[in-house]
Amino acid sequence: DAGVIQSPRHEVTEMGQEVTLRCKPISGHDYLFWYRQTMMRGLELLIYFNNNVPIDDSGMPEDRFSAKMPNASFSTLKIQPSEPRDSAVYFCASSLIVVAGGYNEQFFGPGTRLTVL
Amino acid sequence: GESVGLHLPTLSVQEGDNSIINCAYSNSASDYFIWYKQESGKGPQFIIDIRSNMDKRQGQRVTVLLNKTVKHLSLQIAATQPGDSAVYFCAEIVSGGYQKVTFGTGTKLQVIP
Repeated sequence: DAGVIQSPRHEVTEMGQEVTLRCKPISGHDYLFWYRQTMMRGLELLIYFNNNVPIDDSGMPEDRFSAKMPNASFSTLKIQPSEPRDSAVYFCASSLIVVAGGYNEQFFGPGTRLTVL
Repeated sequence: GESVGLHLPTLSVQEGDNSIINCAYSNSASDYFIWYKQESGKGPQFIIDIRSNMDKRQGQRVTVLLNKTVKHLSLQIAATQPGDSAVYFCAEIVSGGYQKVTFGTGTKLQVIP
């Protein structure tokens, strides 16, 4: 398996533009997570899906951010309109189903480095 | 709220020496603790984990120690190699239907050849 795939790897855009980040999780994984990483705040969970259904989006900064998972092999994170403070590295991760009382390792993609000018 | 933090932001170690990276956590309800390694330009990669009912776990060249009394976690890397240069994160998980992972801020390990 190629692991979690993210595209694009780098994105530079101007303030006010729409940005769409893409993620292909590892085949067979039931959970998909979107994280944002900045120097100031570290790794923050934005939203996660279980079997394509959004379960917890409490980490999404504001209404400008939205995420979808139309099928088990694809998810998008959209920012509209983008602002300079959205500049960060966005990671997608996936994992297998969680067993009772346990956890399953999250496998991270390479990330998308977003710069909003 | 609950948080995970690191004592040292940067650690420089001579190649061949042992490295110790420390982490403090605050959520006593956490069930698992994980160490991740993040190399430049890559996503975090799982290294080793430890369950809250354990105090030590060993892997290949790595050992994680957990002290629940003082809520402290450490990662020991034996015979540090240049390839170990990276940022290391500790993370904690409260297991259950939703495996909420809280990440620390990271420690940068620099290996001096």
